[in-house]
Amino acid sequence: DSGVTQTPKHLITATGQRVTLRCSPRSGDLSVYWYQQSLDQGLQFLIQYYNGEERAKGNILERFSAQQFPDLHSELNLSSLELGDSALYFCASSVQGLGYTFGSGTRLTVV
Amino acid sequence: QQPVQSPQAVILREGEDAVINCSSSKALYSVHWYRQKHGEAPVFLMILLKGGEQKGHEKISASFNEKKQQSSLYLTASQLSYSGTYFCGTEIRGAQKLVFGQGTRLTINP
Repeated sequence: DSGVTQTPKHLITATGQRVTLRCSPRSGDLSVYWYQQSLDQGLQFLIQYYNGEERAKGNILERFSAQQFPDLHSELNLSSLELGDSALYFCASSVQGLGYTFGSGTRLTVV
Repeated sequence: QQPVQSPQAVILREGEDAVINCSSSKALYSVHWYRQKHGEAPVFLMILLKGGEQKGHEKISASFNEKKQQSSLYLTASQLSYSGTYFCGTEIRGAQKLVFGQGTRLTINP
């Protein structure tokens, strides 16, 4: 157990639907990062939050949004889902200047 | 601004050495190295913050040449457990995000 909790582990949904992925960071970590990993591909940065505020944005689609709540957990919302959105979505947390701790990921399958 | 890793794949016999390279076109603030086994989350190996810094354990170490914007990961006397995909992640000062390379797949055979 890395200390970063992601739920659900698996999600199967239809095109056009909306889903919410949840992440609880490691205790004490204020930064939360979201990454997308398509089949056998690298890790694509989506967005970062620090203590509730958005700090950095990657190539995140307009159909995707995220937020970090006062208790520091974060949610990634994906809407109007397309087949190409099928991927592993990882959340990571860190203390500034140290390495990232990744959660076990949510595998999203859009059918 | 994705860093470029080389080689893309390596196949070794147990006990052999490997070097994985990571280069960027941007001035780097830090370089991270992670290992990911199939179907699992990436696991942090080490972070390098200063130019010319080298750190790590006896058998897995890394160097960071800040002037050349390059980092290398050294795996010595590889073990079966070293198999996986290795990613470098680079951070530009002030960017607040880690951008990962495309990965290097390492296969260790007995």
